[in-house]
Amino acid sequence: SQELEQSPQSLIVQEGKNLTINCTSSKTLYGLYWYKQKYGEGLIFLMMLQKGGEEKSHEKITAKLDEKKQQSSLHITASQPSHAGIYLCGADFNDYKLSFGAGTTVTVRA
Amino acid sequence: DAGVTQSPTHLIKTRGQQVTLRCSPKSGHDTVSWYQQALGQGPQFIFQYYEEEERQRGNFPDRFSGHQFPNYSSELNVNALLLGDSALYLCASSSWDRGYGYTFGSGTRLTVV
Repeated sequence: SQELEQSPQSLIVQEGKNLTINCTSSKTLYGLYWYKQKYGEGLIFLMMLQKGGEEKSHEKITAKLDEKKQQSSLHITASQPSHAGIYLCGADFNDYKLSFGAGTTVTVRA
Repeated sequence: DAGVTQSPTHLIKTRGQQVTLRCSPKSGHDTVSWYQQALGQGPQFIFQYYEEEERQRGNFPDRFSGHQFPNYSSELNVNALLLGDSALYLCASSSWDRGYGYTFGSGTRLTVV
């Protein structure tokens, strides 16, 4: 979706290092979802953010929503091989569907 | 508690044929959405079904049609298959107000030859 830009397109991180993925919307966000996908498989739900300034964490993954910038970031601390995959952000523009970014491919090097 | 179930997992069809994909939503969900994901891209919204009716539709031709049954399960039908229809087809279920978000299935990989 051109309404949602994800960056970077791909990244390679050394195991144990941190990484951040950004998702910027050109429209007002009603909600922002983060999913992880292994190649060719379904989407695994990570987090849902609905309020400006909201921040959620699960294990080593933290996601924030900046309402002013209409932007969300996903941060992984001390990356592990299990964090490798494609990360997708999906926007709910209050239209009862999700509009997705193109995804960020994360590679974790041992 | 079963999540979203899709069948079949993989499918190979010939150009011009028709295909039907199936989806059973997560328990407690009454709304089903279908997405198409081409290689290297994010999922694209096809349509959504609620109360057995198409609630809204994305930018897909009429060759793509669907149905929702009284038990909330859904089918996606694609007629006159084109090579460009090769993709991963994802089903997502939610409550009518998506209050608890969207749960995705594992997808059906369709290859058109």
